[in-house]
Amino acid sequence: EPEVTQTPSHQVTQMGQEVILRCVPISNHLYFYWYRQILGQKVEFLVSFYNNEISEKSEIFDDQFSVERPDGSNFTLKIRSTKLEDSAMYFCASSGGTGSYEQYFGPGTRLTVT
Amino acid sequence: AQSVTQLDSQVPVFEEAPVELRCNYSSSVSVYLFWYVQYPNQGLQLLLKYLSGSTLVKGINGFEAEFNKSQTSFHLRKPSVHISDTAEYFCAVSDPNPGRRALTFGSGTRLQVQP
Repeated sequence: EPEVTQTPSHQVTQMGQEVILRCVPISNHLYFYWYRQILGQKVEFLVSFYNNEISEKSEIFDDQFSVERPDGSNFTLKIRSTKLEDSAMYFCASSGGTGSYEQYFGPGTRLTVT
Repeated sequence: AQSVTQLDSQVPVFEEAPVELRCNYSSSVSVYLFWYVQYPNQGLQLLLKYLSGSTLVKGINGFEAEFNKSQTSFHLRKPSVHISDTAEYFCAVSDPNPGRRALTFGSGTRLQVQP
């Protein structure tokens, strides 16, 4: 069964460093998403991406965040200058065409900023 | 703006007993509703969804949920739970507008099934 994959599973970085989180969505899906879950808190939406552009973003997704689909399979989230409060589990998700609303989630990348 | 409230942070239950996990939502527009499950150290797995039609929806692993528009609720039920159902359960809503698919999640309910 096709699934969303994410790498790495755990990333440790120092404050101020740039990190790139990688995701491979399900191959025929058209919509891509990033969510995050700070320990003990809700899962929060960051951004959605469709047709090579951002279709929706939350207040959390400020100028230090960016997303890219560099090729036909990867979808990345870049954090330019990490802060302690960026420590969280980051989930990638994807969904199919216009009539498909189910989002399929990857296993997540745990980002720890020290 | 949409919001989701899961009233119970933890629900302990004995194996083979029935369980109901409560979810209420708030929205100024119609919504699509979802339940996801998260097993330890894993991602979120879709249990079931309500988009339209019958208000009683059935999902995987014997779970079902009922959409109640007047009470703005979407409670999750299972008639007989197993130890393997121990997990975190998240209720979520989204806007039906195809351009606004972001999921808004509740804070989760930890289901603890005891032998």
